[in-house]
Amino acid sequence: DAGVTQSPTHLIKTRGQQVTLRCSPKSGHDTVSWYQQALGQGPQFIFQYYEEEERQRGNFPDRFSGHQFPNYSSELNVNALLLGDSALYLCASSFRDRVSYNEQFFGPGTRLTVL
Amino acid sequence: TQLLEQSPQFLSIQEGENLTVYCNSSSVFSSLQWYRQEPGEGPVLLVTVVTGGEVKKLKRLTFQFGDARKDSSLHITAAQPGDTGLYLCAGAGSGANNLFFGTGTRLTVIP
Repeated sequence: DAGVTQSPTHLIKTRGQQVTLRCSPKSGHDTVSWYQQALGQGPQFIFQYYEEEERQRGNFPDRFSGHQFPNYSSELNVNALLLGDSALYLCASSFRDRVSYNEQFFGPGTRLTVL
Repeated sequence: TQLLEQSPQFLSIQEGENLTVYCNSSSVFSSLQWYRQEPGEGPVLLVTVVTGGEVKKLKRLTFQFGDARKDSSLHITAAQPGDTGLYLCAGAGSGANNLFFGTGTRLTVIP
């Protein structure tokens, strides 16, 4: 049973460029959340997708956008990259019901470096 | 924004010692998770606590949820080098499916 997978593992971009990160959720999960983790800090919630729609959003500008596909996989897009966007981007999957108590399972992350 | 503060921020102990990590907030959470994260990897879920006053044990790790569901603690008995890592607490608000993460406690266990 494959866990959450993310690609690519590492990425180097320059300021102003655009980037797309990809995530495949754990088998049986229908909800994907994205988090940004700056060095030395805890993850910060970006947004969450369920049934191909953005359901919740954290305090991130609209340069950050996403998409969820019918197979529950998801993409995170960041436009007009800034140096401050350098971080580990984490994808987490979960099953949207009351029993799971918001338990989220994380992928290994994509390390984005903006030069 | 619901804030979770963890203490201590850094902890370095000898193998065999006991330790406690605290996670505190002024907000009430419907559930609280503890994760451990290794360098370059994603957080790994250790436990979920839901009921105020709940205590859960995972081998040498004991997790407690505060009665008011605003705080939690993680106690490790007889720490081992394999316990080294970043410990994160994360709370979920009522009706919300996203997690608010604490600042993290970086634990180093010296052999």
